[in-house]
Amino acid sequence: ILNVEQSPQSLHVQEGDSTNFTCSFPSSNFYALHWYRWETAKSPEALFVMTLNGDEKKKGRISATLNTKEGYSYLYIKGSQPEDSATYLCASHRGGAQKLVFGQGTRLTINP
Amino acid sequence: NAGVTQTPKFQVLKTGQSMTLQCAQDMNHEYMSWYRQDPGMGLRLIHYSVGAGITDQGEVPNGYNVSRSTTEDFPLRLLSAAPSQTSVYFCASRAGTDYNEQFFGPGTRLTVL
Repeated sequence: ILNVEQSPQSLHVQEGDSTNFTCSFPSSNFYALHWYRWETAKSPEALFVMTLNGDEKKKGRISATLNTKEGYSYLYIKGSQPEDSATYLCASHRGGAQKLVFGQGTRLTINP
Repeated sequence: NAGVTQTPKFQVLKTGQSMTLQCAQDMNHEYMSWYRQDPGMGLRLIHYSVGAGITDQGEVPNGYNVSRSTTEDFPLRLLSAAPSQTSVYFCASRAGTDYNEQFFGPGTRLTVL
């Protein structure tokens, strides 16, 4: 995989349901994997920075896992709320640590 | 702390005009970068800097120049604007290591006619 890819591109979830989505990234020369939450008309805000294979991070109802050997990360949201509606971006360092390359994002909509 | 600030918030240019997008941060971050955001394309890295006096190209550098004379400021220059540069531009900064989160500015929406 040469690029950072996210799936699905969009997701509609009923309020109260749990959901998850995927970020795939080049596993060679891995440095770090970032997750960002991006609300409409605002700037992206950092959720997690993950570095070690097997890492699990949690912030409230949101958690993430990391598999650096196979090059993927999952983001989980438990008990979705309307305020969780946003685009979730992942980004990986590629070609040297300075370049942070973003995926296209997963747009999550929570239906009340 | 104001964090990362960008000016202007909105700008309309005619093809061929030049302008500078301003970015400043007050967190003493070594690393600063510029991204553009286009529908269906995500955030693409234009240029970045790892410290004052040091800049390098990202994924889509053509048509843009940058300089980093101070730690705080990282302006992005469009020398001759083209309609293809219509986009939303985000500046970001982070502390020196790769494992630190990036902080984004509020963005500049640029339209080139």
